[in-house]
Amino acid sequence: GQNIDQPTEMTATEGAIVQINCTYQTSGFNGLFWYQQHAGEAPTFLSYNVLDGLEEKGRFSSFLSRSKGYSYLPLKELQMKDSASYLCAVSRAGGGNKLTFGTGTQLKVEL
Amino acid sequence: DGGITQSPKYLFRKEGQNVTLSCEQNLNHDAMYWYRQDPGQGLRLIYYSQIVNDFQKGDIAEGYSVSREKKESFPLTVTSAQKNPTAFYLCASSPMEGGLNIQYFGAGTRLSVL
Repeated sequence: GQNIDQPTEMTATEGAIVQINCTYQTSGFNGLFWYQQHAGEAPTFLSYNVLDGLEEKGRFSSFLSRSKGYSYLPLKELQMKDSASYLCAVSRAGGGNKLTFGTGTQLKVEL
Repeated sequence: DGGITQSPKYLFRKEGQNVTLSCEQNLNHDAMYWYRQDPGQGLRLIYYSQIVNDFQKGDIAEGYSVSREKKESFPLTVTSAQKNPTAFYLCASSPMEGGLNIQYFGAGTRLSVL
């Protein structure tokens, strides 16, 4: 089975740095994805990891440790528009390119 | 512009009625997916299709049906057997190349029961 845990909510100040964490337990693992979702809108792809370490992709990087079942999404120089839900998703082994999603972390950026 | 189009944006269902949600993509992706999103829960996979004329049940397929007659289209029917259909429905597509493939999402259809 699959189990993915993320904090429900986080609050941070504009210009600050935050780290959104995701832990997972899975019977099969191909990789881990991060998506951003503004309220009522489609999730948009941010980053993914297959191997351990930091994957740098413009403003959105992501880190993975497969041995610890742990990933994080560091967000730097926060802007008001970064207020959104951040979804962690694990790609399941076994074909079909299927994803299992966590419940998401709602980030609120304040002045 | 390439993308995934879902329609309608809002849909209302009466008791005992079947409704169909449309999903069209012009990204030339082989795979398409339907998810349901409820408040406080992660996206849950309803059905997916890797190739035309073939599809598989996801984690919560009961009360739903799909078809994949064309590569570009993957409509979802919410049948009267689905007793709790109120949710935000998201369609996604991805290539099916070697390695990890990114899923891209449409804007969603919000279904409510009258």
